[in-house]
Amino acid sequence: EAQVTQNPRYLITVTGKKLTVTCSQNMNHEYMSWYRQDPGLGLRQIYYSMNVEVTDKGDVPEGYKVSRKEKRNFPLILESPSPNQTSLYFCASSSRAVYSGANVLTFGAGSRLTVL
Amino acid sequence: KQEVTQIPAALSVPEGENLVLNCSFTDSAIYNLQWFRQDPGKGLTSLLLIQSSQREQTSGRLNASLDKSSGRSTLYIAASQPGDSATYLCAVTGPGGGADGLTFGKGTHLIIQP
Repeated sequence: EAQVTQNPRYLITVTGKKLTVTCSQNMNHEYMSWYRQDPGLGLRQIYYSMNVEVTDKGDVPEGYKVSRKEKRNFPLILESPSPNQTSLYFCASSSRAVYSGANVLTFGAGSRLTVL
Repeated sequence: KQEVTQIPAALSVPEGENLVLNCSFTDSAIYNLQWFRQDPGKGLTSLLLIQSSQREQTSGRLNASLDKSSGRSTLYIAASQPGDSATYLCAVTGPGGGADGLTFGKGTHLIIQP
C-alpha cells in the first residue's frame, strides 16, 4: 500500500531532551515536507526537500533540523525541544516538485508531540 | 504573499442537505488547488486536485470548482451524510505561495447532524 509512515504517533517528552520523528514513504517520491498544525494557526511548513541531499527552510524552521540522506526517509530532529514545540506534526510527500500542476500530496497520519 | 481564506470556519447542517464550502486566495497565479479532508487527530487525505487550466473536478458526491480570475474555489457536497463530518482544507500551489509554493487555508470544520 502506498503510504507515508510517521513514528512515533504520540510522544510526551521533557524540555531539552533530543528527539527524532521519523518519516518514510514507499512511493519513490522526490518531494517531502514537514508541517506542524496548531489550533487557530493552521498548517505551517517547517522544512521541505526537493530530492536527496536537498533541503530548504519552510515558514517556521527555528528549533528543528532535517536530513535527506535517502529518498524514502526524511526525519525531523528536535535538538532541544521546548514547550512551544508542542504540536501535531505531519510529514507529506509528492511525486514531483509542487510546482507541477498535477502533483498530489500524500500525508502521514501525524505525530502528536507534547513537550513538558 | 499568497493568502488562503476559508469561510465559514465551522458549519453544522442536517443530514441530506447539499452544501458548499468556500476557499478564496489572493494571488491568482496558481498552478493548482487541492481540497483535503482531515478527520480528528488524523492526517490529511487528498480529495480533489484542480489544475490551473481546469474549471472543475468531480469525485462521487464531491464537486470542486475553480475560478482563477476571481481567486475562488468551492467544494460542493451533495446529499451530505454524517460520515462527511470532518475538517476540509484547501491548498494552492503557485509562485506567491509559501517556501515551496504551497499555501494552506485554515479549514472549515463541518458537522453533519444525523
